[in-house]
Amino acid sequence: GAGVSQSPRYKVAKRGQDVALRCDPISGHVSLFWYQQALGQGPEFLTYFQNEAQLDKSGLPSDRFFAERPEGSVSTLKIQRTQQEDSAVYLCASSLVDVQADTQYFGPGTRLTVL
Amino acid sequence: AQKVTQAQTEISVVEKEDVTLDCVYETRDTTYYLFWYKQPPSGELVFLIRRNSFDEQNEISGRYSWNFQKSTSSFNFTITASQVVDSAVYFCALSDTGRRALTFGSGTRLQVQP
Repeated sequence: GAGVSQSPRYKVAKRGQDVALRCDPISGHVSLFWYQQALGQGPEFLTYFQNEAQLDKSGLPSDRFFAERPEGSVSTLKIQRTQQEDSAVYLCASSLVDVQADTQYFGPGTRLTVL
Repeated sequence: AQKVTQAQTEISVVEKEDVTLDCVYETRDTTYYLFWYKQPPSGELVFLIRRNSFDEQNEISGRYSWNFQKSTSSFNFTITASQVVDSAVYFCALSDTGRRALTFGSGTRLQVQP
C-alpha cells in the first residue's frame, strides 16, 4: 500500500517568490498534519486537519503560511513571499482516525531552499 | 507546556555494541503518549513505538527495547547488538491531552561503525 507522498521533493525559490507544497496522505486517513523541520532540529508542528476542516493552525509562523485540504484528501501548504528563514524540510503526516495520539505516518518531506 | 529533551546530540558505537538513547519529557497532564521515530538518511520519519502514560511496562521488540519511568519522566530506547543499518537520527515525541500535534525532541544522531 502507498504511504504518504509529497511533491516536489526539492524546491529552490528566490526570496519573495510564492511556493506550494503538496501532500497526498494515506488513502482513507482522516487527519493530516504539517510539520517544519529546520536543519539539525526536530520537526515542529505547523497545522492539522480533520478531513477538510483545519482544526489547529497554532504553529503557522506567520500569515505568509497558508494550508488547505479542500476535499479532505490532498493538502497544499502555501508560503507567500518566501524568506530565507523559511528554508527547511516540510513534513506531512497522516493518521487513520482523529483521536489523540493515533499514530502519525510521515512522508519523505519537501526540502525548501530560499536563496 | 510540554517539552521533550534529548540531551545526547550524537552517539557513535561500533557494530554489536548496545546503545541507549535518552529521552526526558515534561507535561502537566496525567494522560499523555510517548513515541519514538527513526529518521534514516532518506529523511522519512519511521514510527517505532507508542506508549501511553498508564502503561509502565517495558517493551521489547527484537533488538529494540524501551524503558518508561514516570518517576523520572523518562522514556529511554535501547538497541541491543547494534547494526550499521541502525544508523539514523532518532526522535522522541510527546502528545498530551487535547492536542493532536506531536512535540518532538531535537533528536539523537546514532552512527554505527562496522
